[in-house]
Amino acid sequence: GEDVEQSLFLSVREGDSSVINCTYTDSSSTYLYWYKQEPGAGLQLLTYIFSNMDMKQDQRLTVLLNKKDKHLSLRIADTQTGDSAIYFCAEKFGSGAGSYQLTFGKGTKLSVIP
Amino acid sequence: EAQVTQNPRYLITVTGKKLTVTCSQNMNHEYMSWYRQDPGLGLRQIYYSMNVEVTDKGDVPEGYKVSRKEKRNFPLILESPSPNQTSLYFCASSSDVGRSTDTQYFGPGTRLTVL
Repeated sequence: GEDVEQSLFLSVREGDSSVINCTYTDSSSTYLYWYKQEPGAGLQLLTYIFSNMDMKQDQRLTVLLNKKDKHLSLRIADTQTGDSAIYFCAEKFGSGAGSYQLTFGKGTKLSVIP
Repeated sequence: EAQVTQNPRYLITVTGKKLTVTCSQNMNHEYMSWYRQDPGLGLRQIYYSMNVEVTDKGDVPEGYKVSRKEKRNFPLILESPSPNQTSLYFCASSSDVGRSTDTQYFGPGTRLTVL
């Protein structure tokens, strides 16, 4: 399958910005996603970006996409303790005959220090 | 309320005893998928289904079976579970079949332990 790489851990102080990075391999990806998983819960879609976009902003979240380098980042402004969670990057790619798959990274555990 | 339900939420079983984890969605979604989540490995796709009677292998299908006889249900079957299938399993569904972005709705997870 395709590869999606993320760093495993990130610690930030409350009120600072967090930047979570991700690299992917499939240049034909159509959409790239960020999911959030809180302890004991399933995954929740945070935001997404279409592959022909460079940036998307949604309140405190900013997604940057560098398609040339296959690099995706998620910036969380004014990070709060409630942002502590595991964040997954995922890419969507076609797997033939009209079907598609999502490949997830291993997840970045964000710890927010009060 | 739009949701994906999984049952059971927790299961401890023994090697070789067949089990089924059910997944059901009430959103009339075409696309359904099973993932397993393991520490340090993230989420890996086991099987997915684009619609009724259409299933495809994901990245780690060995040891699993699925069926899609109805749109709302997508059970995961372990014919002969082994300890390496101890994991946290998530079912997900979405409406997209490639036309636009989708929102994948995830179930709450099933924690399976195989002794």
